[in-house]
Amino acid sequence: GNSVTQMEGPVTLSEEAFLTINCTYTATGYPSLFWYVQYPGEGLQLLLKATKADDKGSNKGFEATYRKETTSFHLEKGSVQVSDSAVYFCAPREGGGSQGNLIFGKGTKLSVKP
Amino acid sequence: EPEVTQTPSHQVTQMGQEVILRCVPISNHLYFYWYRQILGQKVEFLVSFYNNEISEKSEIFDDQFSVERPDGSNFTLKIRSTKLEDSAMYFCASSWGQKNTEAFFGQGTRLTVV
Repeated sequence: GNSVTQMEGPVTLSEEAFLTINCTYTATGYPSLFWYVQYPGEGLQLLLKATKADDKGSNKGFEATYRKETTSFHLEKGSVQVSDSAVYFCAPREGGGSQGNLIFGKGTKLSVKP
Repeated sequence: EPEVTQTPSHQVTQMGQEVILRCVPISNHLYFYWYRQILGQKVEFLVSFYNNEISEKSEIFDDQFSVERPDGSNFTLKIRSTKLEDSAMYFCASSWGQKNTEAFFGQGTRLTVV
């Protein structure tokens, strides 16, 4: 079945450091790709998305590029802040007969120290 | 900004009891979902609902689980006879479309079975 592999956390960085969280996926079709973020004590919020190959999603300084050839959607940010501390989930979403269920990875916990 | 709301935020129940988790999706959305997240584990798909019927369900969603959209605004998840292993955070989500559209998540209900 479809699956997502994210890099293991927790990831601890100092403020202003560069962030990469790797994500690769397997899918039977041509999914859209999403990153969701879960801040402490809150629900899941969309961070960014890309719906076709080579699209770049971006939001709040975060970016991820849809790489169909490597089935990857790595999340990057050039300079993290303490407020970015959260759990990040990579999630492909298929269309067609599967009703578009999001398939989540295990999540990567990011802690940013001042 | 419209949001998905879930009640209660925390539910404690005795093993064997029935629980109903409630969700109010965003009003013009057509697709509804339940996910769960056992502490420290990944977010798992339970069920999707469209046009007043279940469109897909996972292996987790066995005969003990049911969903209902009783009045056009609420979307409920019922667990008939709770088990200890049902303890988890349950997230409701809704979306206007499928593959390319964002799914909006509620804040979650933390279910504790004792």
